[in-house]
Amino acid sequence: DTEVTQTPKHLVMGMTNKKSLKCEQHMGHRAMYWYKQKAKKPPELMFVYSYEKLSINESVPSRFSPECPNSSLLNLHLHALQPEDSALYLCASSRPGYEQYFGPGTRLTVT
Amino acid sequence: DAKTTQPTSMDCAEGRAANLPCNHSTISGNEYVYWYRQIHSQGPQYIIHGLKNNETNEMASLIITEDRKSSTLILPHATLRDTAVYYCIVRTSSGNTGKLIFGQGTTLQVKP
Repeated sequence: DTEVTQTPKHLVMGMTNKKSLKCEQHMGHRAMYWYKQKAKKPPELMFVYSYEKLSINESVPSRFSPECPNSSLLNLHLHALQPEDSALYLCASSRPGYEQYFGPGTRLTVT
Repeated sequence: DAKTTQPTSMDCAEGRAANLPCNHSTISGNEYVYWYRQIHSQGPQYIIHGLKNNETNEMASLIITEDRKSSTLILPHATLRDTAVYYCIVRTSSGNTGKLIFGQGTTLQVKP
């Protein structure tokens, strides 16, 4: 199994909602990542987990809360988002220090 | 990590080789050159990486100059499905988790 899966593919949420994005991989990778990509812009790193511990937080607002419950799963909990948070959210995984494999992304719209 | 410079866009005829340049003049000795591409509305896809030797895999070849200040990604026989944004990224690979800092990339349009 060489893929990273993300659910849901699309999500529309109001500014008062709480929702979660899910990412899963079964490649035995111990590093997992969240990126945010706005339209016509390159992906921007948000968080890095290494061996299930948060190792990098790129000064992301607290309304985004990551969680790594085990070595195969990565969640991104969303609460009180703003319309400007609408974007494609990408998950990736890798062996630490090696090439990253990306999922297809979740397209989030905040209304 | 060192910064990279790429042309904003390039065209290539289908079936011809696509040569995508990247400048990374401030690269340091322990930094690798990575290439990814992103086809519209999909996640980025890893293509190839190298340190100082030229590399080839089933997708592409990577040519790195002797001084390591620039490199070229070569898609030997471009197809319409190779139309994508191509990102050249320089980063360390020390066994720790590393950041990928994406620049603006090169939009390659393969034309029939």
